[in-house]
Amino acid sequence: SAVISQKPSRDICQRGTSLTIQCQVDSQVTMMFWYRQQPGQSLTLIATANQGSEATYESGFVIDKFPISRPNLTFSTLTVSNMSPEDSSIYLCSVARIKGETQYFGPGTRLLVL
Amino acid sequence: AQKITQTQPGMFVQEKEAVTLDCTYDTSDPSYGLFWYKQPSSGEMIFLIYQGSYDQQNATEGRYSLNFQKARKSANLVISASQLGDSAMYFCAMREGLRTSYDKVIFGPGTSLSVIP
Repeated sequence: SAVISQKPSRDICQRGTSLTIQCQVDSQVTMMFWYRQQPGQSLTLIATANQGSEATYESGFVIDKFPISRPNLTFSTLTVSNMSPEDSSIYLCSVARIKGETQYFGPGTRLLVL
Repeated sequence: AQKITQTQPGMFVQEKEAVTLDCTYDTSDPSYGLFWYKQPSSGEMIFLIYQGSYDQQNATEGRYSLNFQKARKSANLVISASQLGDSAMYFCAMREGLRTSYDKVIFGPGTSLSVIP
């Protein structure tokens, strides 16, 4: 499986600010995804990061709030914009080497918004 | 409607004993995949085991095995010889083939497992 890193690992932010989370993979992967895990909850898919084109967002998530970039096959960023305390969650990046293969997850970013 | 059901919010097991974590799923897609992930308190999601809907045999990976009962739409995880390090949240997940082209994975609510020394 790929080695996946995320930065930052955790952060405490003030409401109204934005945070960009980075996901780096040690090998080229076709599929990259961003998930949110609210406290005590399961994982919810935010969007699929597409290289060279706009991300594909799931119902309830919009580009203005969660802009995503994917400039190449090993890197993606997720920005949480205009944060509120409800955005306090673990944000996880996952990858699959090719479409249809098992997804592997990064270590996650723990975000607390005050 | 919830597609993945894990009816055990919390489970306890004695060290070295076996434990079964329940998972039922709902899909009309004939082609799908089932996964189990482990999430320790550190927050990372660790892939444990995979079962494809067309696989004839139950999947096994070391101490983990998946009891796949297709007609009942259940995919229970069996952990043999529990260890203290097995204490974590366990998530059952499903990916549908034809409907989403294997792109989207749906996660169940999770089961918290505590291993008692």
